[in-house]
Amino acid sequence: EAEVAQSPRYKITEKSQAVAFWCDPISGHATLYWYRQILGQGPELLVQFQDESVVDDSQLPKDRFSAERLKGVDSTLKIQPAELGDSAMYLCASSLLDRHNSPLHFGNGTRLTVT
Amino acid sequence: KQEVTQIPAALSVPEGENLVLNCSFTDSAIYNLQWFRQDPGKGLTSLLLIQSSQREQTSGRLNASLDKSSGRSTLYIAASQPGDSATYLCAVVMNRDDKIIFGKGTRLHILP
Repeated sequence: EAEVAQSPRYKITEKSQAVAFWCDPISGHATLYWYRQILGQGPELLVQFQDESVVDDSQLPKDRFSAERLKGVDSTLKIQPAELGDSAMYLCASSLLDRHNSPLHFGNGTRLTVT
Repeated sequence: KQEVTQIPAALSVPEGENLVLNCSFTDSAIYNLQWFRQDPGKGLTSLLLIQSSQREQTSGRLNASLDKSSGRSTLYIAASQPGDSATYLCAVVMNRDDKIIFGKGTRLHILP
């Protein structure tokens, strides 16, 4: 079964440094999501793409976070500078264009620790 | 503002028992509701998706029901096994803006 690929699996960085996460969604999935999940909580949306366009980045801290999906396929999420409070699991998910009838497919995430 | 609640936060049951996990939501204007499983340190795996017009969906030992008018969904797991131990999350897709709202999950432990 096709999977959403994410890398790296783990990242440890010092505060004020830059970090980047990569996601390759399931082939043919037009919609891509980046979520942040704190331990014991549900995922919270950071940014949503449809093809290469951002459709929702209302919860993205734009002073330090950026995301792109230049060719409408894979995507990169960047944090610069990282802060201690950014430590969390960063999850990528994708779905078909018909989001109302298609389940979300998640990658295994990147566990970020900021020291 | 939509709120999705899952109670209890954690549950331990002996192997072989049937069990029910609960999910409630405050705004019934939803397109669908999904149940996910999450193993420690991993991403979420979709288990079942129920459209707002449907009452239930079944997959193997899992059965999910939806009562949209009362803002409730249940996930029934039959004949529980130690391999069912995981966190189970529900999420709703909102009509008005397509936003997906997750609950915090129920951490399930099946005792061998």
